Amino acid sequence: GAVVSQHPSWVICKSGTSVKIECRSLDFQATTMFWYRQFPKQSLMLMATSNEGSKATYEQGVEKDKFLINHASLTLSTLTVTSAHPEDSSFYICSAGRTGGNQPQQFGDGTRLSIL
Amino acid sequence: QQQVKQSPQSLIVQKGGISIINCAYENTAFDYFPWYQQFPGKGPALLIAIRPDVSEKKEGRFTISFNKSAKQFSLHIMDSQPGDSATYFCAASDGNNRKLIWGLGTSLAVNP
Repeated sequence: GAVVSQHPSWVICKSGTSVKIECRSLDFQATTMFWYRQFPKQSLMLMATSNEGSKATYEQGVEKDKFLINHASLTLSTLTVTSAHPEDSSFYICSAGRTGGNQPQQFGDGTRLSIL
Repeated sequence: QQQVKQSPQSLIVQKGGISIINCAYENTAFDYFPWYQQFPGKGPALLIAIRPDVSEKKEGRFTISFNKSAKQFSLHIMDSQPGDSATYFCAASDGNNRKLIWGLGTSLAVNP
């Protein structure tokens, strides 16, 4: 079964609203979570890396005030798209890295965000 | 600058054939090379991964070949099946939980 749960899987909302996406690691502690954005038929684009208890590290060109990331616990990270507009419509995917050990990142099933 | 170059962009294979996807990287600090499979509307799923201390790794029908001197690695899918039709991404990082550098993806279609 899925070890990283992402919610919601699909959301449609009006322009100007804020949307929160949750990423949970179900059976392991995740020190690090990654947030990606993917446009149709394109590769994953890393938006930011979040570490539990500290501020997220954003990739160049990603607006930190637009895409708010919170990683308050070892099992939950959230991405809030603030004042969303149609150009923010995309597929958002999170992944989680286990604390310690030598395990690869596990990915959520993504959130399809459509802004009208 | 694309640090991980993936080819081909798309691939059509007959059922039972071998699918081969290639990737090349530039950063010699990379030490972890995973391959992911992604179906439409889903997140990527790890298929197989390799570290540079071995030249080949096989898991079922999936094999990674790794050439450290050429800075290249490839995915071979033996006995390709229609259910293998998906987008495949190679990636690289300098550690398991360090950020992944992604290839642009290969859309594989396996004809029945």
